[in-house]
Amino acid sequence: QKEVEQDPGPLSVPEGAIVSLNCTYSNSAFQYFMWYRQYSRKGPELLMYTYSSGNKEDGRFTAQVDKSSKYISLFIRDSQPSDSATYLCAMSGTGNQFYFGTGTSLTVIP
Amino acid sequence: EAQVTQNPRYLITVTGKKLTVTCSQNMNHEYMSWYRQDPGLGLRQIYYSMNVEVTDKGDVPEGYKVSRKEKRNFPLILESPSPNQTSLYFCASSLSIMSSIYGYTFGSGTRLTVV
Repeated sequence: QKEVEQDPGPLSVPEGAIVSLNCTYSNSAFQYFMWYRQYSRKGPELLMYTYSSGNKEDGRFTAQVDKSSKYISLFIRDSQPSDSATYLCAMSGTGNQFYFGTGTSLTVIP
Repeated sequence: EAQVTQNPRYLITVTGKKLTVTCSQNMNHEYMSWYRQDPGLGLRQIYYSMNVEVTDKGDVPEGYKVSRKEKRNFPLILESPSPNQTSLYFCASSLSIMSSIYGYTFGSGTRLTVV
């Protein structure tokens, strides 16, 4: 079983839609959770990070962690064509090794 | 501009011909790491370095070597490349190993093809 599972998509939504991206994990020791955005032919860039359970909001983006279900989500409100990218979740227990999801490809159609 | 610079961006080589992918960062970061990204497998860590002269294996170190002689540079060496090392490679850095939880800075990637 993989440490982190992420639906690869692809996901295609109209501009303005609410997007929900999700990852599940198996290791209950994970406590640091990150979302990266990766544009084509570019390296991943950090979008958000959270520690332990709860919600974190940054503009149109909300990260949610449910440790009891071992499930994390990233919500994008009022999605824009510029949000079209691959989104990677990543997580860590102690901070010295990170486990990445395989990424979900998102296309926002104008 | 704060960045991680990898070279080359694209490389096609033949089996067995030694190659080096360079990585340099200008942020005075202590922690550096190499990942490979493959479809369906995501990003997997090859090697990491917590500081100068300190390196350790990640999840998929076989067939790779690294060195950290200077803080800013962390080259990835393939002594005898094989076709299964065809992949997209990323170098990443962070201020320290613990600050990695606040995110890495990634390079733009090196697409390597071994024929």
